[in-house]
Amino acid sequence: NAGVTQTPKFQVLKTGQSMTLQCAQDMNHEYMSWYRQDPGMGLRLIHYSVGAGITDQGEVPNGYNVSRSTTEDFPLRLLSAAPSQTSVYFCASSRGGGTTDTQYFGPGTRLTVL
Amino acid sequence: TQLLEQSPQFLSIQEGENLTVYCNSSSVFSSLQWYRQEPGEGPVLLVTVVTGGEVKKLKRLTFQFGDARKDSSLHITAAQPGDTGLYLCAGARTGRRALTFGSGTRLQVQP
Repeated sequence: NAGVTQTPKFQVLKTGQSMTLQCAQDMNHEYMSWYRQDPGMGLRLIHYSVGAGITDQGEVPNGYNVSRSTTEDFPLRLLSAAPSQTSVYFCASSRGGGTTDTQYFGPGTRLTVL
Repeated sequence: TQLLEQSPQFLSIQEGENLTVYCNSSSVFSSLQWYRQEPGEGPVLLVTVVTGGEVKKLKRLTFQFGDARKDSSLHITAAQPGDTGLYLCAGARTGRRALTFGSGTRLQVQP
């Protein structure tokens, strides 16, 4: 199993550009989520999904869109990038979405917005 | 203000020393998890505690969940350079599906 994969690993954008961060998992997990990690802030939840076709907002959803058309994929779209979105983005998946389940994280995407 | 406060933020110790990392909140959590993250990688789960007062041991690591389920601690005995990393606690509040992460404790163990 590849686990959770994320692409790209690094990305530089200009203010106002849009892009999609890709996330895929091959563990047949129902629950997937996106976090951003900023220095001194830990991880903050952006959006999450409890299954295909179902998404919900997390702690910091503004400026981001998600969709979940398949169990495997959970892309994160930045509609109009801003410097405040410079961060490291992690995708995670877990079996059932219960908060005692193990969350498996991808390797992250380091995004810089100029 | 962070819902989960971790202390200390940074810790640099010599190989063989013992240390304790704390994770505190004013809120009650139904469960708490501890993760370790190495540079350039995603966090990896170390342990989950769900019962107030629970103590779990993982080799040289001892995890404790407070009786009131508002705090947790991680104690490392005889630290080794391989323990170096960012330690994150993450809690689930009762009735919520999402995890809240602390800001982390960065540990450096010098050989």
